[in-house]
Amino acid sequence: EAGVAQSPRYKIIEKRQSVAFWCNPISGHATLYWYQQILGQGPKLLIQFQNNGVVDDSQLPKDRFSAERLKGVDSTLKIQPAKLEDSAVYLCASSLGTGRNNEQFFGPGTRLTVL
Amino acid sequence: QKEVEQNSGPLSVPEGAIASLNCTYSDRVSQSFFWYRQYSGKSPELIMSIYSNGDKEDGRFTAQLNKASQYVSLLIRDSQPSDSATYLCARKGVGGSQGNLIFGKGTKLSVKP
Repeated sequence: EAGVAQSPRYKIIEKRQSVAFWCNPISGHATLYWYQQILGQGPKLLIQFQNNGVVDDSQLPKDRFSAERLKGVDSTLKIQPAKLEDSAVYLCASSLGTGRNNEQFFGPGTRLTVL
Repeated sequence: QKEVEQNSGPLSVPEGAIASLNCTYSDRVSQSFFWYRQYSGKSPELIMSIYSNGDKEDGRFTAQLNKASQYVSLLIRDSQPSDSATYLCARKGVGGSQGNLIFGKGTKLSVKP
């Protein structure tokens, strides 16, 4: 079974530029998550989708971050404009559902550096 | 979001010893807990999940959950240098945050040959 796919793996941009990340979840997984992991911290949820609907985006900085999952499969996360503090690893994860026994599996992540 | 607390370490143990990693949480409603291992530069990898009070064993790993005391721990028996990594404790959100994981900062484990 293929895992969660993400691209690109690395991205370097200057502040105020825009960037987009792509994620393809494990086949059949209805729930997709985007997490931000700053160096030395645990991952922090940015947004959670159930199929193509948003379940939780309470921690998404909506003035600069946006995400979509239009067909309920793959997803994109965009930052526009980027700030220095956005430098982090952006992790996509997926699970079958949101029940307590549904385990989340992470993709390899995209390491973003904002200069 | 209620916090998940972990000692950041580093925790250093000799090869073959038992490594004990601890985690406390402040939300009594949480029902599901997870341990992830994260090698440097890699993404988190699920190693254990636990939902009921008591112990759950899987190979060299044992997870322990005590809901009354609000702590969860991970024991690694016969520690190997390949176990050297950061271990992330996470609880599953409840209510409006159902499904997403709330992580601690992680404990860095170093197993010395």
